[in-house]
Amino acid sequence: DAKTTQPDSMESTEGETVHLPCSHATISGNEYIYWYRQVPLQGPEYVTHGLQQNTTNSMAFLAIASDRKSSTLILPHVSLRDAAVYHCILRRTGGNNKLTFGQGTVLSVIP
Amino acid sequence: AQTIHQWPVAEIKAVGSPLSLGCTIKGKSSPNLYWYWQATGGTLQQLFYSITVGQVESVVQLNLSASRPKDDQFILSTEKLLLSHSGFYLCAWSLGTVGNTLYFGEGSRLIVV
Repeated sequence: DAKTTQPDSMESTEGETVHLPCSHATISGNEYIYWYRQVPLQGPEYVTHGLQQNTTNSMAFLAIASDRKSSTLILPHVSLRDAAVYHCILRRTGGNNKLTFGQGTVLSVIP
Repeated sequence: AQTIHQWPVAEIKAVGSPLSLGCTIKGKSSPNLYWYWQATGGTLQQLFYSITVGQVESVVQLNLSASRPKDDQFILSTEKLLLSHSGFYLCAWSLGTVGNTLYFGEGSRLIVV
């Protein structure tokens, strides 16, 4: 699976909208962009995913660049509960459904 | 709604002792099941996956084994623990292998002393 690049850490204040960037310059046409978040000693929580079009759900908005070489996870009105490590992962269709996790972005939220 | 339950939540075991970690999925029939492992301070690695009862594929060799005795159950085990087995073990499920989201359990923390 292609590699992603994320900032090591970001900081936000409660109520703000956070933009978490992810670079994936060598993404293949059959690779989905997945976002998970994880807090210490808990399993990763699925946030969202997309292939080409922007997507939105109750948790976040995923903006995918037209060339698919980058994406941004947008978290509106963050709260303290949104503090976590956010992982941007590329996964191709088929195979063993393997997710390759990196270090992710540590999002800190200040009250 | 589907639920995933892992047991035990945490365990401290001696080097050389046996280990058995369990995972049960309720609310979904014939899920694909996965075991992931995270060393302290490390990244998550997939260890095993299973698409049906009795069939398990190994992804990473860590002197561990996995079995799927029932459609809704996935077991991770070893007869002799090593210090390097310490970490966080996560079970996950998906509906299928093609383009389907993985959902993770809460994990089992293992400390080997």
